[in-house]
Amino acid sequence: QSALTQPASVSGSPGQSITISCTGTSSDVGGYNYVSWYQQHPGKAPKLLIYDLNKRPSGVSNRFSGSKSGNTASLTISGLQAEDEAEYYCNSYTSTSTLGVVFGGGTKLTVL
Amino acid sequence: QVQLQESGPGLVKPSETLSLTCTVSGDSISSTYWSWIRQPAGKGLEWIGRSYFTGSTFYNPSLRNRVTMSVDTSKNQFSLTLTSVTAADTAVYYCARNPHGSSWFDSWGQGTLVTVSS
Repeated sequence: QSALTQPASVSGSPGQSITISCTGTSSDVGGYNYVSWYQQHPGKAPKLLIYDLNKRPSGVSNRFSGSKSGNTASLTISGLQAEDEAEYYCNSYTSTSTLGVVFGGGTKLTVL
Repeated sequence: QVQLQESGPGLVKPSETLSLTCTVSGDSISSTYWSWIRQPAGKGLEWIGRSYFTGSTFYNPSLRNRVTMSVDTSKNQFSLTLTSVTAADTAVYYCARNPHGSSWFDSWGQGTLVTVSS
């Protein structure tokens, strides 16, 4: 299973909006709305931010939103805050081989 | 509120077997699928596989030949066994819940570091 493709890093200033892309294929991101996004601070377990492409779990800020176009999913963070500095991972269901899931390689967000 | 806690040896010798257990509280182990995910130091997340109390399992193709997962309903636990380990298996191992049999992970353990070294 090949990892989904994410940019290694993105940055933005407080108050700005940024978007992190996650590119897959028609067998995963493009074929299903089963994309999820996670935030991971150093030394901590990942935290679910978005599931089923654009749904937020209870307690997650509405500054986080998800979308998709073709084989590329995106996570947008609006009103950047210092505490948003973290690693972000996308994840998708895949219909290849074992009907499992595949992660993106991760994107480091730096808040300038 | 569901909580997950990994347990197992922190050091495993090369060629031996890695065994971890995840204890679940706040939810029934029979309610959904449960997964293992690992993360080598400084690297990304890798899904290892998921299991259901019926014995149904799905594994990452890259690890399929070495992985076994199972569920113990009497203890509300699920487990991971990885055989013939090498240094490349050194990682933080997380257990996580797939709610409603979904592909996403809403609750995670804190993670446990497993080092493969002689």
